[in-house]
Amino acid sequence: DADVTQTPRNRITKTGKRIMLECSQTKGHDRMYWYRQDPGLGLRLIYYSFDVKDINKGEISDGYSVSRQAQAKFSLSLESAIPNQTALYFCATSDGLAGGYYNEQFFGPGTRLTVL
Amino acid sequence: GEDVEQSLFLSVREGDSSVINCTYTDSSSTYLYWYKQEPGAGLQLLTYIFSNMDMKQDQRLTVLLNKKDKHLSLRIADTQTGDSAIYFCAEANAGNMLTFGGGTRLMVKP
Repeated sequence: DADVTQTPRNRITKTGKRIMLECSQTKGHDRMYWYRQDPGLGLRLIYYSFDVKDINKGEISDGYSVSRQAQAKFSLSLESAIPNQTALYFCATSDGLAGGYYNEQFFGPGTRLTVL
Repeated sequence: GEDVEQSLFLSVREGDSSVINCTYTDSSSTYLYWYKQEPGAGLQLLTYIFSNMDMKQDQRLTVLLNKKDKHLSLRIADTQTGDSAIYFCAEANAGNMLTFGGGTRLMVKP
């Protein structure tokens, strides 16, 4: 079974709709991240969480919100979706206990979101 | 600010070597990473190098780091069609957060 899972894998929605993307992990990691991927722009950080009570904005948090329901679950919401939020969304986890600055992140398979 | 740049595309013939280049701007970077993304999948760590190293070799992969020029490269020897993917370099900043480059799409022709 995959260590980091995302649901749904694909979603098509309309402008103005509320959308929630979910991420679950079985790695036991404290740190979780949400990124969006756009062609040629790489991955850009939306939000991250270092533990259940810790939520931080990333580079491009406007128009998004998150919820860390448990150590293993981190959800991303688009309150009112707009077309320029069409992208590939990735959840990732890392072990906050890793020594030094080594920070391997483990990625889910991604959710392809299309906003019409 | 932090900025990581890569060329968008690279095309090579099967059996040749591939060299993917990356430049970064944060001189305080401690670790630099190469991730691989295969079609329809998430990113997977390929290799990494600590900033006090110049080179790291792992089977067909060679990572070269030039700290003076803030230049990182990934060389894949004897490139195979299964190496076709998007390759991302990433740097870890002092807060242990990753900044990714835009990705280089490697196409391997038989």
